[in-house]
Amino acid sequence: EAQVTQNPRYLITVTGKKLTVTCSQNMNHEYMSWYRQDPGLGLRQIYYSMNVEVTDKGDVPEGYKVSRKEKRNFPLILESPSPNQTSLYFCASSDIAGVGYEQYFGPGTRLTVT
Amino acid sequence: GENVEQHPSTLSVQEGDSAVIKCTYSDSASNYFPWYKQELGKGPQLIIDIRSNVGEKKDQRIAVTLNKTAKHFSLHITETQPEDSAVYFCAATGTYKYIFGTGTRLKVLA
Repeated sequence: EAQVTQNPRYLITVTGKKLTVTCSQNMNHEYMSWYRQDPGLGLRQIYYSMNVEVTDKGDVPEGYKVSRKEKRNFPLILESPSPNQTSLYFCASSDIAGVGYEQYFGPGTRLTVT
Repeated sequence: GENVEQHPSTLSVQEGDSAVIKCTYSDSASNYFPWYKQELGKGPQLIIDIRSNVGEKKDQRIAVTLNKTAKHFSLHITETQPEDSAVYFCAATGTYKYIFGTGTRLKVLA
């Protein structure tokens, strides 16, 4: 089954404790992206990757890191989480690293930072 | 910076009526405009999209219109059904960077 998977689905952590949210897709997609969803703010793009070893900042990259060492994986790293990073996070991928292709979203990771 | 404004934030319609959601974008370089539907507890899913060289696109009960001059695009759902109840997001992009609207919660009342 073609899908985007994220782990963990739920995470409660404390301020300053480094964490990684994994994202994996089995569709051989070049483009992958991370979003955060907050009430009243919609979806905001954190980082995206056009292909292996190629990443760029979205609208809200502060406090996050990403890496793309393999085509299928695109982990999101929070080196020192803070309470304002409490949010619902989505990973997405699309077929071609360009404009105008359907993004497939993962099921989401709900992160709480206390 | 670039932004996409989406209205209304909530919309209630009677089953069988039509629903219209409107978005306005700021970046003139935007040339792809997708609409996503998000059901409770799930990730967004593409329902229809339109490119800048097209003014209107239809897929059964769903249609999208684009006015590039006004930087405005809209989602139209006809003959609404209870299963259309969800949150809808518009988005715009001209590169690899996507800007999403703030979402519209649509409730279809039986």
